[in-house]
Amino acid sequence: DGGITQSPKYLFRKEGQNVTLSCEQNLNHDAMYWYRQDPGQGLRLIYYSQIVNDFQKGDIAEGYSVSREKKESFPLTVTSAQKNPTAFYLCASSINRDSNQPQHFGDGTRLSIL
Amino acid sequence: QKEVEQDPGPLSVPEGAIVSLNCTYSNSAFQYFMWYRQYSRKGPELLMYTYSSGNKEDGRFTAQVDKSSKYISLFIRDSQPSDSATYLCAVIGFSGGYNKLIFGAGTRLAVHP
Repeated sequence: DGGITQSPKYLFRKEGQNVTLSCEQNLNHDAMYWYRQDPGQGLRLIYYSQIVNDFQKGDIAEGYSVSREKKESFPLTVTSAQKNPTAFYLCASSINRDSNQPQHFGDGTRLSIL
Repeated sequence: QKEVEQDPGPLSVPEGAIVSLNCTYSNSAFQYFMWYRQYSRKGPELLMYTYSSGNKEDGRFTAQVDKSSKYISLFIRDSQPSDSATYLCAVIGFSGGYNKLIFGAGTRLAVHP
């Protein structure tokens, strides 16, 4: 089945540690996105990528980094500079960035601080 | 003012009730509207996708857009306990220098038997 796979489902971070969240899609979509979801708030865009080897900052990129070396993969690193990393992280994809097609989501990674 | 406003609820209804979920948006240029359903500990799942004003029906779900009022609604008929979830409205609009998906905060719905 085509879809978006995020791993791990749960992740714990120690102080000063970088952690990487995985996102893989087999939908052949060009565009991929990372969102952060906090209770009582809408999804907020962290980074997005329209094409391989290209990515752009979203609304809350500070303390995060990404790479897009392959079309199907868009990992997110939560760095030690992100002082409030506890949240539910969602990866999404769409056919392409410029279209008005909706985005499809993975099942998320819940990150907590130890 | 938030670009998309949504009452967080929670909304609790008996099984079989008609549910009305609503959002307002601030920019009259927004033209594409979506409703997502999100179960606990899961990612959002696309329910409805509409363009411009009018109604769109899919089974027990009806999405309604009123561009003159900047108001979007989702109606659920014959609600079931399996409809218990958080419902997110979203619009595609140009904001902050690029075209993006803008979400409401979500409304929690509980349908009790």
